[in-house]
Amino acid sequence: NAGVMQNPRHLVRRRGQEARLRCSPMKGHSHVYWYRQLPEEGLKFMVYLQKENIIDESGMPKERFSAEFPKEGPSILRIQQVVRGDSAAYFCASSPRDSPVYGYTFGSGTRLTVV
Amino acid sequence: DQQVKQNSPSLSVQEGRISILNCDYTNSMFDYFLWYKKYPAEGPTFLISISSIKDKNEDGRFTVFLNKSAKHLSLHIVPSQPGDSAVYFCAANTGGFKTIFGAGTRLFVKA
Repeated sequence: NAGVMQNPRHLVRRRGQEARLRCSPMKGHSHVYWYRQLPEEGLKFMVYLQKENIIDESGMPKERFSAEFPKEGPSILRIQQVVRGDSAAYFCASSPRDSPVYGYTFGSGTRLTVV
Repeated sequence: DQQVKQNSPSLSVQEGRISILNCDYTNSMFDYFLWYKKYPAEGPTFLISISSIKDKNEDGRFTVFLNKSAKHLSLHIVPSQPGDSAVYFCAANTGGFKTIFGAGTRLFVKA
């Protein structure tokens, strides 16, 4: 069991380009969460997905950001027309159920740098 | 709106001594509180949690204390080891899926 896999680990994009971040949850986990960590800040909730459904996207900016978790394949966080302020570490986490007691399993993150 | 606050950005402790990391929260609806540990270039790792109906939970060297009236919790690590040097995040949720994280406290354990 390889854990939560995120790729790429590092991503450099020019302003105006698109960024696609991928997350494969742990085997057997059907709940996926995306968090963003800006420099010197904590983790900010972005979106919670189950297979083929967005359950809560209240932490995600209304424009340029979207997320999906298709029936087959990884979850994708997509940022269109990136700006410098999007530079951050993006972490994906998964859990086997909606249970807060046991915590999430996080991936190693994707560090996005917008130049 | 910072519902979970970790007011100490960093803490330095001698090996073998106790490390106490503090966390305050503002939302009285939180049901569960969790601590995560994070090493550089890695994702956070779940450490320990506590339900709001308890005031203490212990797991090996790690103990979490919850004071609901003060809206305060703390993580005690004893004895501290150099390998405990990391960033520690306090987190909380209302029994659902949306976990709110604090800004983290960087712990340095000196050998």
